[in-house]
Amino acid sequence: GAGVSQTPSNKVTEKGKYVELRCDPISGHTALYWYRQSLGQGPEFLIYFQGTGAADDSGLPNDRFFAVRPEGSVSTLKIQRTERGDSAVYLCASSSRTAGTDTQYFGPGTRLTVL
Amino acid sequence: GESVGLHLPTLSVQEGDNSIINCAYSNSASDYFIWYKQESGKGPQFIIDIRSNMDKRQGQRVTVLLNKTVKHLSLQIAATQPGDSAVYFCAEAKYGNKLVFGAGTILRVKS
Repeated sequence: GAGVSQTPSNKVTEKGKYVELRCDPISGHTALYWYRQSLGQGPEFLIYFQGTGAADDSGLPNDRFFAVRPEGSVSTLKIQRTERGDSAVYLCASSSRTAGTDTQYFGPGTRLTVL
Repeated sequence: GESVGLHLPTLSVQEGDNSIINCAYSNSASDYFIWYKQESGKGPQFIIDIRSNMDKRQGQRVTVLLNKTVKHLSLQIAATQPGDSAVYFCAEAKYGNKLVFGAGTILRVKS
């Protein structure tokens, strides 16, 4: 498809478990962003990749959260020892960073529920 | 689908009327502003953006106005349609960096 895709669309896990959330950006987009959205709120920034490297990880709430983008395309957000407060929709966005435009295009999100 | 907007302001308009959604941003250093539309169960959808060197930008049926003096952004939707019903978010950024989103406004279009 032409847009950002995210898998799984829904993930239910138990407190203490490990989860991985995947993002496939728009082909050719060098910048990739992860956001988290809680019910009734706007998305909140987690981490931003430019190519393979994390350019800004200031939004990661603690060291249980980690993200990688080893080949500069697909990214995986990893959450260790999940807590009930991690329940949210995790959104991924990508942008092309070409001159004059930096529009971030979002995927449909992964709804994470921690029981 | 997700029940968003439990505590968000709501704008109700009649189909065919014009809608104006307002947003106050916080960082005077922001130089890039964007409006997104989010329908229940979906990711934010880009509507229109504006750089800080402009005060107005028009798209198809939408206009964004930027007032840097009072740090205010607005989205005008002409001839509002039922399909425009959604939650609308403004976002600010230093160009090329993370987006900081506002609280959101629910737009309800009455037929």
